[in-house]
Amino acid sequence: NAGVMQNPRHLVRRRGQEARLRCSPMKGHSHVYWYRQLPEEGLKFMVYLQKENIIDESGMPKERFSAEFPKEGPSILRIQQVVRGDSAAYFCASSLLAGGNANGYTFGSGTRLTVV
Amino acid sequence: AQRVTQPEKLLSVFKGAPVELKCNYSYSGSPELFWYVQYSRQRLQLLLRHISRESIKGFTADLNKGETSFHLKKPFAQEEDSAMYYCALSDLAYSGAGSYQLTFGKGTKLSVIP
Repeated sequence: NAGVMQNPRHLVRRRGQEARLRCSPMKGHSHVYWYRQLPEEGLKFMVYLQKENIIDESGMPKERFSAEFPKEGPSILRIQQVVRGDSAAYFCASSLLAGGNANGYTFGSGTRLTVV
Repeated sequence: AQRVTQPEKLLSVFKGAPVELKCNYSYSGSPELFWYVQYSRQRLQLLLRHISRESIKGFTADLNKGETSFHLKKPFAQEEDSAMYYCALSDLAYSGAGSYQLTFGKGTKLSVIP
């Protein structure tokens, strides 16, 4: 079991470009969560998805950010027209059960986005 | 709003010395508390959660509702304990109802000196 796979590990984008971050959950997990960690900060919840559904996007910025978890394939976090303030580590987690806390989340290694 | 505070950014202890990583929280409901650990170049992983009341790798943490604290302790530090430690809170009640969002502290880097 490869665990939660995120790619790329590192992503460099120029201001105004688009960033696409991918997350493949653990085998059998259908619940995916995205967190963002700004420098010197803790992880902050962004969005919770199940297959083909966004359950809670209360932590997502209102503009430029979107997330999806299609029936087939990985979950994608998409950031359009990136700005320097988007530079952060983006972590994906998955769980077997809704909420995840009963069994804990399984986190990926993260994608470090740098906007130049 | 819920908040988790880890007052120490960096904690250095000698091998064999006791360790206490502090965590205080602010939450109006019934919280569930966790400690996550991230070893160098590895992914974030769950270390322990308060409702399981278990000791993992010699670490324990007791939820003190009066002091709103969930400090992580180990009597004798080992070099392999050097890592980033994050305290986290959820408002998921034991019944399973509630939110699944985790609120994290900023983390404490533990450095065990040989």
